[in-house]
Amino acid sequence: AQSVTQLDSQVPVFEEAPVELRCNYSSSVSVYLFWYVQYPNQGLQLLLKYLSGSTLVKGINGFEAEFNKSQTSFHLRKPSVHISDTAEYFCAVRVIGGFKTIFGAGTRLFVKA
Amino acid sequence: EPEVTQTPSHQVTQMGQEVILRCVPISNHLYFYWYRQILGQKVEFLVSFYNNEISEKSEIFDDQFSVERPDGSNFTLKIRSTKLEDSAMYFCASSERDQPQHFGDGTRLSIL
Repeated sequence: AQSVTQLDSQVPVFEEAPVELRCNYSSSVSVYLFWYVQYPNQGLQLLLKYLSGSTLVKGINGFEAEFNKSQTSFHLRKPSVHISDTAEYFCAVRVIGGFKTIFGAGTRLFVKA
Repeated sequence: EPEVTQTPSHQVTQMGQEVILRCVPISNHLYFYWYRQILGQKVEFLVSFYNNEISEKSEIFDDQFSVERPDGSNFTLKIRSTKLEDSAMYFCASSERDQPQHFGDGTRLSIL
């Protein structure tokens, strides 16, 4: 079975500061990795994905993530956050060839002025 | 950009009643899914649907639940005899094979 652990439930950060949201996963088989963002009263929007190839993936809104197979991690980073980045961020995995996506518990990013 | 649309955005139903949640997936997608998120908890997989049949379901998806693709554009989730614990946000998603799932904005289901 697969599982996803997001190590921080809440991350407060000042505007224009860098941020890292941590994600570790567990799986005995190869997986795809995703980050989704959920703004208040909205659905889940795909931020970025790792399917194969380069371990550093870039997504929308200036976010990027690095897949580290040896540490089974997929941390999300942004060098300079904006107030508008305030949202809930979900790390997720799906077995290659599988159907269901397994989500972490989410990290609430709160950007302060 | 094409998107998944869900209706209604909020559904209030009396306990014991049946409810149907509706979704219009992205038009060229062949894989369809339902997830739910109970307030304050994780997003949980319910079911996936491909080629007019269920391809995978979770232990949550028991006989109370059913899915259907009644025509070429809609994908529905039916919950029979609703219980208080069915109150949650229900998300529909669709995808192409081996690609990320795209989610709708969800239907908030409130059981009274």
